[in-house]
Amino acid sequence: RKEVEQDPGPFNVPEGATVAFNCTYSNSASQSFFWYRQDCRKEPKLLMSVYSSGNEDGRFTAQLNRASQYISLLIRDSKLSDSATYLCVVSLGGSYIPTFGRGTSLIVHP
Amino acid sequence: DADVTQTPRNRITKTGKRIMLECSQTKGHDRMYWYRQDPGLGLRLIYYSFDVKDINKGEISDGYSVSRQAQAKFSLSLESAIPNQTALYFCATSDKYTAGTDTQYFGPGTRLTVL
Repeated sequence: RKEVEQDPGPFNVPEGATVAFNCTYSNSASQSFFWYRQDCRKEPKLLMSVYSSGNEDGRFTAQLNRASQYISLLIRDSKLSDSATYLCVVSLGGSYIPTFGRGTSLIVHP
Repeated sequence: DADVTQTPRNRITKTGKRIMLECSQTKGHDRMYWYRQDPGLGLRLIYYSFDVKDINKGEISDGYSVSRQAQAKFSLSLESAIPNQTALYFCATSDKYTAGTDTQYFGPGTRLTVL
């Protein structure tokens, strides 16, 4: 089983739609969780960290479910500019290297 | 100016040539990383360094070597390039882990083609 798994998609949604991605992780000792966004042929950039209590940033909501070992990203009122690949990142912290999922592709169409 | 820079941004080379990719950062971070990205395979870690005297192999280090010349500089070398090393290469940095803040900051990438 891969350490961090994501559905590669693509998720193809109309503008204004709500879309959700999940990411599962295998190591229950994982400490830190993140969502990164990567535009085509560009570098990944941090979208948001995921806290135990869940967190929201505008149209984006991230949640963590430790019992089931997954994190989620919810995007409300999708914009064309949200089209990108969303990478899930999980870290054990300390001297461990964060592990990246392969990403979920989102395409928002008019 | 960008916090993490990579040179060159694009490179086409031939099989057997030695290639060096360079990464510089102005973030003052101790930790630096080299990744490669291939379509459908995601990011894969090649080497990482937690400080100037610390170098560690990642998931796919064969065929690569690195040099940490200073806190701000981390170079990746392909001693004898081969076509399956054609990929997008990213350098990244992060600060020492403080709970929940081991965010990685990426350079713009180097697109390498080995013919």
